[in-house]
Amino acid sequence: DGGITQSPKYLFRKEGQNVTLSCEQNLNHDAMYWYRQDPGQGLRLIYYSQIVNDFQKGDIAEGYSVSREKKESFPLTVTSAQKNPTAFYLCASTASGGMDEKLFFGSGTQLSVL
Amino acid sequence: GESVGLHLPTLSVQEGDNSIINCAYSNSASDYFIWYKQESGKGPQFIIDIRSNMDKRQGQRVTVLLNKTVKHLSLQIAATQPGDSAVYFCAERGAKGYKLSFGAGTTVTVRA
Repeated sequence: DGGITQSPKYLFRKEGQNVTLSCEQNLNHDAMYWYRQDPGQGLRLIYYSQIVNDFQKGDIAEGYSVSREKKESFPLTVTSAQKNPTAFYLCASTASGGMDEKLFFGSGTQLSVL
Repeated sequence: GESVGLHLPTLSVQEGDNSIINCAYSNSASDYFIWYKQESGKGPQFIIDIRSNMDKRQGQRVTVLLNKTVKHLSLQIAATQPGDSAVYFCAERGAKGYKLSFGAGTTVTVRA
């Protein structure tokens, strides 16, 4: 089945620790995105990548980093600089780099701080 | 800036009734709108989209209406079923090539 796989489903971070969230897609999509979801709020864009080896900051990139070494993979690292990391993180993709296409989402990773 | 929101954070509907979920937007230049459904602990799923050159679009049991005069978008679900219980988000694109902006969502609960 084609789709987007996020792992782990639940993740806990200690103070001062960096953690990496995995996102893999087998849809052959060019563009991938990371969103953060907080209770009662809309999705906010963290980073996006329209092609391999290229990515851009979204609205709330501070405290996060990404890489896009392979078309299928777009991992997100939540660094110790992100002081309020507890949230539900969603990875998404679109067929091409057009921001006007509908997003396909993964099932999310819930990150909590110990 | 763009602002997308839903009129009500929660909606309770009797099974079998029709549901109407509303969304207001502030950017008159927005040209693309989309509705997503998100079940608890899962990622959002695409429901239906509409471009600004249309005022109505129908899918399976769902209809999206767009009123550009008052910058209002609605999602109608016919014969609501228990499986329709979820959070529903609208999103807009302000101009070609701009990112989607998401509203906060309406939680729909279907009563048996």
